[in-house]
Amino acid sequence: EPEVTQTPSHQVTQMGQEVILRCVPISNHLYFYWYRQILGQKVEFLVSFYNNEISEKSEIFDDQFSVERPDGSNFTLKIRSTKLEDSAMYFCASTSGGVDEQFFGPGTRLTVL
Amino acid sequence: GESVGLHLPTLSVQEGDNSIINCAYSNSASDYFIWYKQESGKGPQFIIDIRSNMDKRQGQRVTVLLNKTVKHLSLQIAATQPGDSAVYFCAEIGGGYNKLIFGAGTRLAVHP
Repeated sequence: EPEVTQTPSHQVTQMGQEVILRCVPISNHLYFYWYRQILGQKVEFLVSFYNNEISEKSEIFDDQFSVERPDGSNFTLKIRSTKLEDSAMYFCASTSGGVDEQFFGPGTRLTVL
Repeated sequence: GESVGLHLPTLSVQEGDNSIINCAYSNSASDYFIWYKQESGKGPQFIIDIRSNMDKRQGQRVTVLLNKTVKHLSLQIAATQPGDSAVYFCAEIGGGYNKLIFGAGTRLAVHP
């Protein structure tokens, strides 16, 4: 069964450093998302991406965040200068379109020290 | 504004009992709702969905009920098993590109 994969599973970084979180969505999917989940809290939408551009972003997704689909398979989330409050689980999701089920990856746990 | 929330933060049930997890939403224009299950250390996993033109939808051991009058959504799990222990989130589709708006989550603990 196809699945969304994410790397790394756990990233530890120092405050102010740049991090890149990587995702490989399901191959025939067209819509891509990043969500985050602070420990013990609900999952929050960050950004959606379609047709090689951002289609929607939340207030959390400020100018320190960026997304990219550098090739036909990877979808990345970059945080330019990490803050302590960026510590969270980051989930990538993809869907083939419309209101179809979004498939989530296993997440990357980001710890900012 | 939009919001999706849950009535109960935790629910403990005996193995074999039926479980009911509730969710309230505030956006009356929402037309698609999903229940996700999240096990420890994993991403959300789709359980079942329902569109606003339906009141009830059944899957394998799970049923989702939608009451648009009071903007209430529930997930019923029949014959709850230890493997059902997880956090359950309701989510609402919002926005033109179908971002998910999640509720706060309910932890289901199944005891033998």
